[in-house]
Amino acid sequence: AQKITQTQPGMFVQEKEAVTLDCTYDTSDQSYGLFWYKQPSSGEMIFLIYQGSYDEQNATEGRYSLNFQKARKSANLVISASQLGDSAMYFCAMREGPDAGGTSYGKLTFGQGTILTVHP
Amino acid sequence: DTAVSQTPKYLVTQMGNDKSIKCEQNLGHDTMYWYKQDSKKFLKIMFSYNNKELIINETVPNRFSPKSPDKAHLNLHINSLELGDSAVYFCASSQDLVYRLAGFTDTQYFGPGTRLTVL
Repeated sequence: AQKITQTQPGMFVQEKEAVTLDCTYDTSDQSYGLFWYKQPSSGEMIFLIYQGSYDEQNATEGRYSLNFQKARKSANLVISASQLGDSAMYFCAMREGPDAGGTSYGKLTFGQGTILTVHP
Repeated sequence: DTAVSQTPKYLVTQMGNDKSIKCEQNLGHDTMYWYKQDSKKFLKIMFSYNNKELIINETVPNRFSPKSPDKAHLNLHINSLELGDSAVYFCASSQDLVYRLAGFTDTQYFGPGTRLTVL
């Protein structure tokens, strides 16, 4: 089974509007972390935002917020006031904790990615 | 003051050759990783080292051998390169997960990537 699922291969948004990128995850671990990364066409992986499984508040970082719904196992990224420079591939990733077993400890499992295009 | 650096950025080589990719981080992190991104942009972990000790070794062919001379460096050596090895290889580093209890996150910071092309 996929541990991280991003169901939107591509998304379009108008400049200055908000957009939500979907991410669902699957784990039986109690202690895990959820991350979003941005990969522009230049290729680097840029960390955007982190949510711990025990964090009660949704994470926010500037224009990025993470809509964390633990019971539904979803961790959607919300980008407010989109800018042209937001056009990129976005990856959701999960890090499971020690309870997931030795070979899972610490590694990031990535989703398939969503290509976001911001139109002027 | 680059946080995680990789060299070279591009590597073009013939099948059968041996090549190395170097990675260095100046963040003081304890854990370093190698990820492979294939042509469909899918990212998958290959190896992880914590304080120079191998802790994750996914099902990677023996031709790939990571080496960590100290906790700031994790190099990747690839023997007998094959066409299927063509990909982008990313190095990353993070604080050890145990520091999470002290308020640190174990966010992984990535290097710029090395695009390997095997002809």
